[in-house]
Amino acid sequence: TQLLEQSPQFLSIQEGENLTVYCNSSSVFSSLQWYRQEPGEGPVLLVTVVTGGEVKKLKRLTFQFGDARKDSSLHITAAQTGDTGLYLCAGALSDSWGKLQFGAGTQVVVTP
Amino acid sequence: EPEVTQTPSHQVTQMGQEVILRCVPISNHLYFYWYRQILGQKVEFLVSFYNNEISEKSEIFDDQFSVERPDGSNFTLKIRSTKLEDSAMYFCASSASFSNQPQHFGDGTRLSIL
Repeated sequence: TQLLEQSPQFLSIQEGENLTVYCNSSSVFSSLQWYRQEPGEGPVLLVTVVTGGEVKKLKRLTFQFGDARKDSSLHITAAQTGDTGLYLCAGALSDSWGKLQFGAGTQVVVTP
Repeated sequence: EPEVTQTPSHQVTQMGQEVILRCVPISNHLYFYWYRQILGQKVEFLVSFYNNEISEKSEIFDDQFSVERPDGSNFTLKIRSTKLEDSAMYFCASSASFSNQPQHFGDGTRLSIL
């Protein structure tokens, strides 16, 4: 069962452009986390959102949690080549003991 | 910044052999997890662990798998009789609590079963 759908799967943009990655589900999550993963490494935490409607900013990255806590987005402003990577969303259901459900990821490539 | 460390980084084992993957979680964290990622697929939950007990496990975590916190710092995943399909990256994670606290991941152990 695909609990978390990420879109798009792949995104290629030029430096300076903006991009948005989406994470959608029919399930309600108690929290949702965004990670970035480089090849051969573990996921690195970017942000955790827990409140419906919450918006968090991390420099040029803006994360939003949907009002119903079923979806989230990651927006990158003025992308840089260093933003290239695999972005993963992962949600925790309220009745789980810490189990994170991961999306399949969005591969972002930023070209000079 | 504190981090989760995993050893070895790469383990090659013959099918049917036992392997133990080791993890040192962040020192003040009490909740521990194992995940795996088969090449080209999503990260999948295996098990969560708190207070020396398994809190939740997935269908993947069958009788050939076990976890242990043998001392105050290590957290291990044992696979008793490895199969070819156990080849994957295995990630350990830890958090300060189960709910609404972020999980921090190690860099993983690449397990290759021959």
